[in-house]
Amino acid sequence: QKEVEQNSGPLSVPEGAIASLNCTYSDRVSQSFFWYRQYSGKSPELIMSIYSNGDKEDGRFTAQLNKASQYVSLLIRDSQPSDSATYLCAVSLGGTSYGKLTFGQGTILTVHP
Amino acid sequence: EAQVTQNPRYLITVTGKKLTVTCSQNMNHEYMSWYRQDPGLGLRQIYYSMNVEVTDKGDVPEGYKVSRKEKRNFPLILESPSPNQTSLYFCASSPLGGGAVETQYFGPGTRLLVL
Repeated sequence: QKEVEQNSGPLSVPEGAIASLNCTYSDRVSQSFFWYRQYSGKSPELIMSIYSNGDKEDGRFTAQLNKASQYVSLLIRDSQPSDSATYLCAVSLGGTSYGKLTFGQGTILTVHP
Repeated sequence: EAQVTQNPRYLITVTGKKLTVTCSQNMNHEYMSWYRQDPGLGLRQIYYSMNVEVTDKGDVPEGYKVSRKEKRNFPLILESPSPNQTSLYFCASSPLGGGAVETQYFGPGTRLLVL
């Protein structure tokens, strides 16, 4: 089983719809969770970070964390064609392994007009 | 301008010829990390450094070396490159909040081809 697994893509949604991206992780001691966006040919850039259970909202983006079920999700409301990219989930362990980050394989999102 | 720089951006080399990819950041970040990105595999961490003279292995450290002698620089060394190290490499840096990695800022990437 992969340590961090994202829902298989690609995901295609119409403009204005809600895009839902999911990520599960296997290590229960994971402490920090990140969503990165990567446009084709570009470097990843951080969209959201979340550290405690519940929802965290930033504009059209909402991250949801459920440590008991070991999943983290990203919702994109009112999706725009400019949201078309690969979305990467990353998980960081706590304790002495704070610096070790594991990424999922990524989910390709396409928002069509 | 706050940034992470990598050099070279593109590199073609032959098996066994030692090479170094440089990474430098001007944001005074404690944390730096190297990743490789391969189709279908996402980003995989090679090595990371929590501060000067402190480095640790990521998920795929075999065949790579790093050093952190200065806070701003974190070079990646391939002592004897092999074709399976052909990949896109990213360097990243981050401040540490309470000892934990926060926002990582990524460099532009180095595309390496080993023949």
